[in-house]
This record gives sequence, structure tokens and C-alpha cells, in this order.
Amino acid sequence: QLQLQESGPGLVKSSETLSLTCSVSGGSISSSSYYWGWIRQSPGKGLEWIGSIYHSGSTYYNPSLKSRVTMSVDTARNQVSLNLSPATAADTAVYYCARLGITMIVPLRGFFDSWGQGTLVTVSS
Amino acid sequence: DIQMTQSPSSLSASVGDRVTITCRASQTISIYLNWYQQIPGKSPKLMIYDASTLQSGVPSRFSGSGSGTDFTLSISSLQPEDFATYYCQQSLSPPYTFGQGTKLEI
Repeated sequence: QLQLQESGPGLVKSSETLSLTCSVSGGSISSSSYYWGWIRQSPGKGLEWIGSIYHSGSTYYNPSLKSRVTMSVDTARNQVSLNLSPATAADTAVYYCARLGITMIVPLRGFFDSWGQGTLVTVSS
Repeated sequence: DIQMTQSPSSLSASVGDRVTITCRASQTISIYLNWYQQIPGKSPKLMIYDASTLQSGVPSRFSGSGSGTDFTLSISSLQPEDFATYYCQQSLSPPYTFGQGTKLEI
């Protein structure tokens, strides 16, 4: 059974880097059928897609965050990582790792069919 | 970005009721619309993808319809476990965007 588990600091100082890791078990992130993504949820902005990454390293980022976001994959460890820098108070949210089931490559289309439990990150000043 | 607008924002219903939630896109998205259910304290769960395809394991009382800009999620006979918040999400192309949610309450 596929499991996604987010990990990382629950508290980040403003202007520093918010770093999270998603560990995938019960399946390979190298599967050709999936991208892997990050989605966050805050009371003020609801659900917001941050970006998605393929095992090859191909990425799609939300333009609203693109200048601050970096995603990477570690196929050996079956992990996906997210860096957001510099962090601001507006980045306080629950961050989810999610698998994107691909139905089309260009443009990238699919649905988030498996989610991690989420991790709360608070950005403090 | 494509804006997704759900209505109503909240809905009161009873066990056994039939309910319908609407999602409207700011531009045509063909059938590329997904629905998620979120129970408080839990992560979202995919219910329907491509407007009307039921995700594996989802009860048949859930159904989706629509294309273009207007979509609906229907639950034919509400069960206690269906009281949750429902979100639509467009998957036409990145950046993927979600509706603001519809909270289904007893």
C-alpha cells in the first residue's frame, strides 16, 4: 500500500528556507505513470498547488511561487524534497505531498490520487 | 490562472438526503475536473476525476457530471461519513487550482 510521509521543521524563521521531504513507501517514485507534487493548505488561501516533479527531475511550478521554489528527487531514497526561500509568514500552512496520476504529458494533466498526512509549518518573524 | 468557484460554501443536510455541489471554472476546462473529500484533520481524498469517473473504492452514491465550465458533484443518499468538505480542482494544465470548498454539515 502506497504511503507518503512528509517531514521537516515545524517552525521556520522568516527569511530562512522552508525545507520538507516526502518519503514514499509501497511504490517507486521512478514509476513512469506519476509525477509527485506539493500542495499546501492555509485558512486564508485554501488549497494551493505548489508544484510537481517527475523522477527525471522535470518540474512544473506554480508561477506565483516559482521564484522561491525548488523541488528535487532522490530516486535512491525514494524521496521528493521541497525548498521554499525566503520563507514569509504567508507561507504558514499545512504542506501535503501528493502523487499525481498522469493522464496526459503535454500539457501535464492528472489527478492527485494519494496524499500524505500533511505537516504544519509555521513561519515566525 | 483558472479560477474555480464552488457553491454553496456550506450546506446543511440530513442522512439519506440527496445533495448537489456546483463548481464553475473561469474558462472552459473540457472534462478536466477532479473532486476531493476532506474530513477535518485528514488529508484530501480523491473521489472523482475527469468530471465523472469514480475513483476506485469510492461508493457509487457519489457521482459527477459536467463539461466546459460547469460541473456538479452529487451524493444520492447521504451517509454519516459523507459529512466533510468537498473541493473541486481543475487539471486542464498547470497551475492547478482548487475551489474554495463546500462544507457539508448535518
